[in-house]
Amino acid sequence: AQSVSQHNHHVILSEAASLELGCNYSYGGTVNLFWYVQYPGQHLQLLLKYFSGDPLVKGIKGFEAEFIKSKFSFNLRKPSVQWSDTAEYFCAVRPGGSQGNLIFGKGTKLSVKP
Amino acid sequence: NAGVTQTPKFRILKIGQSMTLQCAQDMNHNYMYWYRQDPGMGLKLIYYSVGAGITDKGEVPNGYNVSRSTTEDFPLRLELAAPSQTSVYFCASSAPGTFSGNTIYFGEGSWLTVV
Repeated sequence: AQSVSQHNHHVILSEAASLELGCNYSYGGTVNLFWYVQYPGQHLQLLLKYFSGDPLVKGIKGFEAEFIKSKFSFNLRKPSVQWSDTAEYFCAVRPGGSQGNLIFGKGTKLSVKP
Repeated sequence: NAGVTQTPKFRILKIGQSMTLQCAQDMNHNYMYWYRQDPGMGLKLIYYSVGAGITDKGEVPNGYNVSRSTTEDFPLRLELAAPSQTSVYFCASSAPGTFSGNTIYFGEGSWLTVV
């Protein structure tokens, strides 16, 4: 069965630290890849997405992610986190690259200490 | 532009009661979805619709029903509420087309507790 794995359940960082959240998926064909963020008490918002082309994707708020096809990974990075980045982050994959179901990971909670 | 609007935001139900979660989008999106988010778990797809009059089961459809009589609305019905349905529910929508940059837009969520 297709699945999305996020390796860390809860990450705690100090402000200005660098961030990398892991995401791996199990599907061998074409995929669309997404990272969503959910700030406390708010709805899911799109951070960035990859459909094709440059595997290094830039998103909002200084986030980026790199698609490594050989590793089935789409890790999220940010060079220097801020307290306002405290949120839950969800990786999602759409197998087949076509319109339809997204498969979400379980989410990683990020807590940034001021 | 309201985007995806869900109501109610919070609701407490007794076991066996029924209710409908409303979802509306004003972006003329063909595709609409209902997800549930349980603590410590990823989002799971309940039902989805690719257009008015067409609905399909997702990963966890049992205990729910949907209808899609218009492009704008996609209500989710719980017929006999059970404690296992305590969750946060998200409605979402997206435009059709494989290469059109079809981002999925989410509503703010509906917190449902069944006691």
